[in-house]
Amino acid sequence: DSGVTQTPKHLITATGQRVTLRCSPRSGDLSVYWYQQSLDQGLQFLIQYYNGEERAKGNILERFSAQQFPDLHSELNLSSLELGDSALYFCASSAIVSGSETQYFGPGTRLLVL
Amino acid sequence: DQQVKQNSPSLSVQEGRISILNCDYTNSMFDYFLWYKKYPAEGPTFLISISSIKDKNEDGRFTVFLNKSAKHLSLHIVPSQPGDSAVYFCAASDFGNEKLTFGTGTRLTIIP
Repeated sequence: DSGVTQTPKHLITATGQRVTLRCSPRSGDLSVYWYQQSLDQGLQFLIQYYNGEERAKGNILERFSAQQFPDLHSELNLSSLELGDSALYFCASSAIVSGSETQYFGPGTRLLVL
Repeated sequence: DQQVKQNSPSLSVQEGRISILNCDYTNSMFDYFLWYKKYPAEGPTFLISISSIKDKNEDGRFTVFLNKSAKHLSLHIVPSQPGDSAVYFCAASDFGNEKLTFGTGTRLTIIP
């Protein structure tokens, strides 16, 4: 158990809909990262928040947005969903290990768009 | 543009033998490398890491080797155990940029 929690575990929805994925980082971790893992793909970085502020952006579509709240939990909002958005979505929080930042991942949310 | 590559999608090794997983990268700015292990229906689990100032890091049965000139790293697991069967991802980051760039993973199967 990494200490990072994600809800829901599974989500099935239809094209055109909007969903919200939730992540709670490990206690004390200020950074939250979101990643997408599509079928046969590695994990692709989407976005990072640090203490409520957006810190870095990756391959995140304009239809997707995220935020981090004062209690440090984060939400990833996916709108106008398409079939290709079906994927595993992971969040991670980070800590310093041996002087370098190491990310710890949650169990993921499996999104299926029909 | 795949900056981190794991060219072997799968690897089978007999229990008790050495498993060697390989990873190549192209971005010379990467200075921190990590290996994650992933079981089905779970998130990636951090395994071991190495910074670019080292060429080797050991943790129990796991050793990571870094060859900066070849832009290559490898994970050695000795001895391999059935519980090591999983997908292994290597990842990299560069100083000041905490996001991780992942390879596509290698599925390791340990044969009893």
